[in-house]
Amino acid sequence: QVQLVKSGGGLVKPGGSLRLSCAASGFTFSDFYMSWIRQAPGKGLEWVSYITSRGSSVYYADSVKGRFIISRDNPNNSLYLQMNSLRAEDTAVYYCARERCSGGNCFLDYWGQGTLVTVSS
Amino acid sequence: QLVLTQSPSASASLGASVKLSCTLSSGQSSYAIAWHQQQPEKGPRYLMKLNSDGSHTKGDGIPDRFSGSSSGAERYLTISSLQSEDEADYYCQTWDTGIRVFGGGTKLTVL
Repeated sequence: QVQLVKSGGGLVKPGGSLRLSCAASGFTFSDFYMSWIRQAPGKGLEWVSYITSRGSSVYYADSVKGRFIISRDNPNNSLYLQMNSLRAEDTAVYYCARERCSGGNCFLDYWGQGTLVTVSS
Repeated sequence: QLVLTQSPSASASLGASVKLSCTLSSGQSSYAIAWHQQQPEKGPRYLMKLNSDGSHTKGDGIPDRFSGSSSGAERYLTISSLQSEDEADYYCQTWDTGIRVFGGGTKLTVL
């Protein structure tokens, strides 16, 4: 079955960096786009970034553009989110999710468990 | 600009049906969406992809009680025979090249 297992969350000071990882299994990782989504405490879901199946294209929400970097390692079935220049407003539970794409439609069809990132001094 | 609008809350009685709505922004009535459920203290779960013609593709293990429909720029999620575990936040989500968008979510209370 599809599994997305995350690691790398925790407490970091404002201006600091953190790297999230998401290990995928149960499907052919290199065939799928992947996304990061976050949820601030008590708030709704916010899309953060997505990467195409071969990693050739990446896209970011305006709120993280220039600070976060999404990447993937297809041979090792892993997705990453490098978060730099972290701010208090980046405090959230971060989810990785698989995207199913067909005919130009790409929607999230499997979610990993969340990992909490807290940015505080 | 791609925007999805949802009512913040809804409620219905145990065993009844409820219809949640998600409205696409002007000019985007042809877009498909996905519905996701987030039960309290849990991560989201994909429910279904819903096309503009009302056809939908459900995720693994999603009960028949969950169905989708469309009308113009409106996308609906209908849950019948409500159960206590259906009390959750429901999010609609859509996409275009370079962007993914979530609605604000609807908190469903089962009375």
